[in-house]
Amino acid sequence: SQTIHQWPATLVQPVGSPLSLECTVEGTSNPNLYWYRQAAGRGLQLLFYSVGIGQISSEVPQNLSASRPQDRQFILSSKKLLLSDSGFYLCAWSQVSAGGRETQYFGPGTRLLVL
Amino acid sequence: KQEVTQIPAALSVPEGENLVLNCSFTDSAIYNLQWFRQDPGKGLTSLLLIQSSQREQTSGRLNASLDKSSGRSTLYIAASQPGDSATYLCAAITGRRALTFGSGTRLQVQP
Repeated sequence: SQTIHQWPATLVQPVGSPLSLECTVEGTSNPNLYWYRQAAGRGLQLLFYSVGIGQISSEVPQNLSASRPQDRQFILSSKKLLLSDSGFYLCAWSQVSAGGRETQYFGPGTRLLVL
Repeated sequence: KQEVTQIPAALSVPEGENLVLNCSFTDSAIYNLQWFRQDPGKGLTSLLLIQSSQREQTSGRLNASLDKSSGRSTLYIAASQPGDSATYLCAAITGRRALTFGSGTRLQVQP
């Protein structure tokens, strides 16, 4: 069966510090991968998605970036964090089944607090 | 640009009651619509996925319907239980295969 991991689970970082959040998927190959952010009191917002190694699409202009160095690894980074980067970051994966169904499955999330 | 709205924002019901959560979307050109559950401080758990060619999907006490022409989906929960208390999110999947989420309905089932 497939599993998705995220780490760290929680993170407290000062403004201006760098960031690296990691997401890995097990039990599947060539998944679509996604990064979402859920800010306090707000809905989920898609940040990045990837359909293959080295292929990253950005949905929202910001000081964050994403990379996919391996098929089942997705990394969210920042060179200098802002207060507004605080939130709950969720990684997700999906694949299109033979019947055209594409369900997205989410990881446990990383709670980031920028002080 | 796809926009997803969920009504009501919060709902409190006594245990055993049947309830309906509503979701509307502005762009009917969706591939799928997915319902999720989120417990406080946790990630999302997929409940049901309805393909654009389908009208409804059922899983246990949950039934989700989709009406693309009117831009609506509903999640029906039968015989609600305290363990159903959570935030329920609907999300429309667009041509980019990216989910656009509603802001959720926070459900509280009173024992």
